[in-house]
Amino acid sequence: DAGITQSPRYKITETGRQVTLMCHQTWSHSYMFWYRQDLGHGLRLIYYSAAADITDKGEVPDGYVVSRSKTENFPLTLESATRSQTSVYFCASSEPGMNTEAFFGQGTRLTVV
Amino acid sequence: GEDVEQSLFLSVREGDSSVINCTYTDSSSTYLYWYKQEPGAGLQLLTYIFSNMDMKQDQRLTVLLNKKDKHLSLRIADTQTGDSAIYFCAEMGGSARQLTFGSGTQLTVLP
Repeated sequence: DAGITQSPRYKITETGRQVTLMCHQTWSHSYMFWYRQDLGHGLRLIYYSAAADITDKGEVPDGYVVSRSKTENFPLTLESATRSQTSVYFCASSEPGMNTEAFFGQGTRLTVV
Repeated sequence: GEDVEQSLFLSVREGDSSVINCTYTDSSSTYLYWYKQEPGAGLQLLTYIFSNMDMKQDQRLTVLLNKKDKHLSLRIADTQTGDSAIYFCAEMGGSARQLTFGSGTQLTVLP
């Protein structure tokens, strides 16, 4: 299926565990992004990537690691999950340019207990 | 503080107009966006406006931009129950053209 897909859709994990959220897009978009959504904060950028093997920090990168070995995949890893990382995580992709639409995945709801 | 600000809640009666307001701080933003999020779903682009425009109309949607005051609004005419959702304004900036979002406005349409 064409588009951007995230997995899993829901995840419950324990404090201190490592967890990886997956993101896959089929358009070969150059840019990919990870946001977290929290009530009252909207979406905040965690990390982004301009191309394979190029990643950079966003507004709230602490506690997260990303990689991008292939253009179509952009996994987000929480190295040691904390309760404050309970959130809904959205992956997005876009082409470069001043007015290109960013396409969002369905989101992953992560609960850290 | 937030770079993009919105009020959190808005309720309107079905058939009335809804106006969702947003203020932003980055005067260099060239594009400003409105995204819609339905329950349990990702974000969908509703409309956008280029910074050298004052107004853009797209069917039931009207976007007004006051660049001097850094104020953006989204008007939805003849609001329907299917318009109930969270609406985010966003500005584009940075090296990756990343979006900076407001906190979102929860629009509730009452019958």
